[in-house]
Amino acid sequence: GQQVMQIPQYQHVQEGEDFTTYCNSSTTLSNIQWYKQRPGGHPVFLIQLVKSGEVKKQKRLTFQFGEAKKNSSLHITATQTTDVGTYFCAGRYGGSQGNLIFGKGTKLSVKP
Amino acid sequence: GAGVSQSPRYKVAKRGQDVALRCDPISGHVSLFWYQQALGQGPEFLTYFQNEAQLDKSGLPSDRFFAERPEGSVSTLKIQRTQQEDSAVYLCASSLLYRRVNTEAFFGQGTRLTVV
Repeated sequence: GQQVMQIPQYQHVQEGEDFTTYCNSSTTLSNIQWYKQRPGGHPVFLIQLVKSGEVKKQKRLTFQFGEAKKNSSLHITATQTTDVGTYFCAGRYGGSQGNLIFGKGTKLSVKP
Repeated sequence: GAGVSQSPRYKVAKRGQDVALRCDPISGHVSLFWYQQALGQGPEFLTYFQNEAQLDKSGLPSDRFFAERPEGSVSTLKIQRTQQEDSAVYLCASSLLYRRVNTEAFFGQGTRLTVV
């Protein structure tokens, strides 16, 4: 079935270091969304990427969608303790009404 | 309401008991999704509604799981004869449908189900 692979599973960084998480699908995605889930919380929407090769920035966060629309990445520059949480990518296949397939997430911890 | 509301927040059920989990989506949101999230895992899709129509129920793990949204607003996820492997957080999300495209999904706080 359709699957979105996400790596790494865990990432421990020192405050101020950069962080990147990657998502990969074996088949073409129609779009991809990114969510952040704080410990004990629920997923919160960050961004949606739709176009091939799209790059979007939100302050220290940079999101990319691959040219083939099969992979995506989230890069955080100069991490802060407030960045702690699990970051999920969620891909949509076929028509955009389809369900979101979530990756297993990357759990980020930041040491002050 | 201001956000997606789920109740109860916590539910402890004895094995074999039936449970019903409620989701109150954001007013006006056409699309409603149910997800199951085990500890340390990503949300796993269960089912999707567009208004009152259940368009996709491919993620429901067994015929013990049943979801409905009779008036296109509030939805209920029912689990019959609960088993220990059903223990998880059940997340509900809703979104708008704009030009036949689902926009961002807003998640509720979830219901943590523990089957003992």
